[in-house]
Amino acid sequence: QKEVEQDPGPLSVPEGAIVSLNCTYSNSAFQYFMWYRQYSRKGPELLMYTYSSGNKEDGRFTAQVDKSSKYISLFIRDSQPSDSATYLCAMRGVRAGGTSYGKLTFGQGTILTVHP
Amino acid sequence: EAEVAQSPRYKITEKSQAVAFWCDPISGHATLYWYRQILGQGPELLVQFQDESVVDDSQLPKDRFSAERLKGVDSTLKIQPAELGDSAMYLCASSSDRENIQYFGAGTRLSVL
Repeated sequence: QKEVEQDPGPLSVPEGAIVSLNCTYSNSAFQYFMWYRQYSRKGPELLMYTYSSGNKEDGRFTAQVDKSSKYISLFIRDSQPSDSATYLCAMRGVRAGGTSYGKLTFGQGTILTVHP
Repeated sequence: EAEVAQSPRYKITEKSQAVAFWCDPISGHATLYWYRQILGQGPELLVQFQDESVVDDSQLPKDRFSAERLKGVDSTLKIQPAELGDSAMYLCASSSDRENIQYFGAGTRLSVL
């Protein structure tokens, strides 16, 4: 079983819809949670970054973390065709003393298409 | 805006040949990561450098893959010999000691024929 599970979709929604993307994880040591957006044939770009449990909002995007359920979500309001991309959740544990930040563990990615 | 630079963007090679990828991280970023992303999957770490030292290479297939960051700045990832299963996107990322954010380059898409 993978440490991070993400429904690959694909997910197709009309423009203006609210999109919900989710990941579950098994490693209780994960403390930092991120969402990356990846356009076709490009590298991932960071969308949202949260530490521990709670909500964070940035424009049309809201990230939620529920550590008790080991479940994270990304909501996109008023979705636009330009939001069409693959969305990757990623997470990592705390920084070990005296060392650099460690690797990210990614979900499989969810392919989202927003049609006009 | 500072970016992680990677080259080449695309590489086609035949199996058993050698290939090399290059990465130049954001200036001042001490930590550099190489990830492999197979089509339809999320990236998986191959190797992590802190300055010129390897911090984590536990998932690097060392019989055929090698990575170096001699002066603690840019880095090269090599595959020799390439196998069909190596076809993937190879992503480089970097981060600073102050900030827990990894910035990714555009990647090198490798096709092994």
